[in-house]
Amino acid sequence: QVQLVESGGGVVQPGRSLRLSCAASRFTFSSYGMHWVRQAPGKGLEWVAVIWFDGSNKKYADSVKGRFTISRDNSKNTLYLQMNSLRAEDTAVYYCAREYDSNGYPPSLDPWGQGTLVTVSS
Amino acid sequence: QSVLTQPPSVSGAPGQRVTISCTGNSSNIGAGFDVHWYQQFPETAPKLLISVNINRPSGVPDRFSGSKSGTSASLAITGLQAEDEADYYCQSYDSSLSGVVFGGGTKLTVL
Repeated sequence: QVQLVESGGGVVQPGRSLRLSCAASRFTFSSYGMHWVRQAPGKGLEWVAVIWFDGSNKKYADSVKGRFTISRDNSKNTLYLQMNSLRAEDTAVYYCAREYDSNGYPPSLDPWGQGTLVTVSS
Repeated sequence: QSVLTQPPSVSGAPGQRVTISCTGNSSNIGAGFDVHWYQQFPETAPKLLISVNINRPSGVPDRFSGSKSGTSASLAITGLQAEDEADYYCQSYDSSLSGVVFGGGTKLTVL
């Protein structure tokens, strides 16, 4: 079935950078918008960013704007999240998710990857 | 503090009906943006439960239903089962924030 697998998480010091990847399989990746959503330990879901199916448009949550960059390589079926100037409050499990139903707005998200943990700590 | 307000917790006995509310304002649900619902078990990724206010994706039991009116939406679960114990999140869009927003989440306990 449709699969999303995140990688790239780990422990990083404040102010440093990290790049997350999300490998997609068993669907036409280049036809779908993709999102990153994060969840701090014991907290709720927080939307991070979206990229259009063709990469032509990107939007970000205010909390990460100017520090994070979402991108994709449709030839590699892979989504990325470049995270710079990391802060302690960026500590979270980061999920990638595919748009499921674009008939509504915003599109719903399904499936989601298993998540990758990013810990920002000195 | 999320712009979509959900009760932190709800509970019900097996077989009962529970509802989870998602209250927004004129910048999000009240502006006509759609609402989706997700179910999340501990240490697992969220799963889409209700799409575009009322639609159940394939495989979701018909015990789950969604509704939307004015500045609010609701998720109803009938015939409550122990396996329904999980966290539930609503999602929409906020024009003031120019982004996707989630509710704070509701923990459902099956007594």
